[in-house]
Amino acid sequence: GENVEQHPSTLSVQEGDSAVIKCTYSDSASNYFPWYKQELGKRPQLIIDIRSNVGEKKDQRIAVTLNKTAKHFSLHITETQPEDSAVYFCAAGRGGSNYKLTFGKGTLLTVNP
Amino acid sequence: DTAVSQTPKYLVTQMGNDKSIKCEQNLGHDTMYWYKQDSKKFLKIMFSYNNKELIINETVPNRFSPKSPDKAHLNLHINSLELGDSAVYFCASSQGSTPPEQFFGPGTRLTVL
Repeated sequence: GENVEQHPSTLSVQEGDSAVIKCTYSDSASNYFPWYKQELGKRPQLIIDIRSNVGEKKDQRIAVTLNKTAKHFSLHITETQPEDSAVYFCAAGRGGSNYKLTFGKGTLLTVNP
Repeated sequence: DTAVSQTPKYLVTQMGNDKSIKCEQNLGHDTMYWYKQDSKKFLKIMFSYNNKELIINETVPNRFSPKSPDKAHLNLHINSLELGDSAVYFCASSQGSTPPEQFFGPGTRLTVL
């Protein structure tokens, strides 16, 4: 089955700096790579996703890159703000009748004002 | 107009008891999921149902029994609760198999004493 590794497990940055979180996956058939943000005591919420026919996607201060050959994808957050502090999860999945997401173990991002 | 809802939000019970968690989605989605998030924040899929049919069962002890009375509801019944069952349980839903975004419920924090 799919295995997703996520690094680092914790990340502390100063407000205004950039943050990068990296994930690798094992199943070359995976074709969907979402990133979820989970604030303390809240539900995971999708912030951006990328599909395997695209190499990069941006949404304001957030960008995701995908390298299918190397089987890794990354989340980039620029101009970080204190409200970006949360746990971020990467995941990998593939479509089909038994579609499921396999999640990385999460990165606790702390943005210091 | 909550998209995915769960009840109860908190559940505190004694070892050996039987308990149920309910999930409802009003998004018209055809697939629903149960995830377990342990104390280390690791999110792991337990079950998925598509149109009331069990699709994924991820080596979960048979003390856990999901039931889907209709497409909009997926309940989780747990027999003979153990200390290790303490976790946050999230319900999620999605539509189609392209693969699609998963929408999470608010979670149920289960504490077994």
